[in-house]
Amino acid sequence: GESVGLHLPTLSVQEGDNSIINCAYSNSASDYFIWYKQESGKGPQFIIDIRSNMDKRQGQRVTVLLNKTVKHLSLQIAATQPGDSAVYFCAENSFLRSNTDKLIFGTGTRLQVFP
Amino acid sequence: DTEVTQTPKHLVMGMTNKKSLKCEQHMGHRAMYWYKQKAKKPPELMFVYSYEKLSINESVPSRFSPECPNSSLLNLHLHALQPEDSALYLCASSLLQGPGSGANVLTFGAGSRLTVL
Repeated sequence: GESVGLHLPTLSVQEGDNSIINCAYSNSASDYFIWYKQESGKGPQFIIDIRSNMDKRQGQRVTVLLNKTVKHLSLQIAATQPGDSAVYFCAENSFLRSNTDKLIFGTGTRLQVFP
Repeated sequence: DTEVTQTPKHLVMGMTNKKSLKCEQHMGHRAMYWYKQKAKKPPELMFVYSYEKLSINESVPSRFSPECPNSSLLNLHLHALQPEDSALYLCASSLLQGPGSGANVLTFGAGSRLTVL
């Protein structure tokens, strides 16, 4: 079946370094992708999104890259801070004919930031 | 108001109990969602309401019964649950922008942590 998944379950980085979190997807029809951050005891929080007609999008300290050729998505966090410690999920959104959004999450990567 | 509010934050219930989880948003969003999240796993989609009509049911057992009384409220009625139903239940909402937009961001609540004894 179709799936959205991640390569690394845990990523440990030193404070101030850059972080890269990867995600692979298998549905070639996917046209919209979102990265969410989930801190302990909280719901997922939107970070950044990208549509399939783009290959890069930048936000504040974060960049998402999309490679449709190899169905790969990545989230880059610049100058990683302790507050960035969380689980990061990529998600694929499909807009169905029933006029409904269907958001499916990948498996998640835990980011641990050390001082 | 840019929040999705879920109550209760914690719920403990027996297998014969009937309880409800509640979700509320006042952002004018016309789609509302229920997700189930087990520990160290991604959220799994359960139900989607679009314009107050059930549009997606991901083959969820009938012991979970969703209800959307109006565009701001979403309930999840629980009856005869099993211990394996213990999880974090997340509600979300989004602004439907029409076909092809592909740019609808879901806003999530903090979740209701359910324990079934």
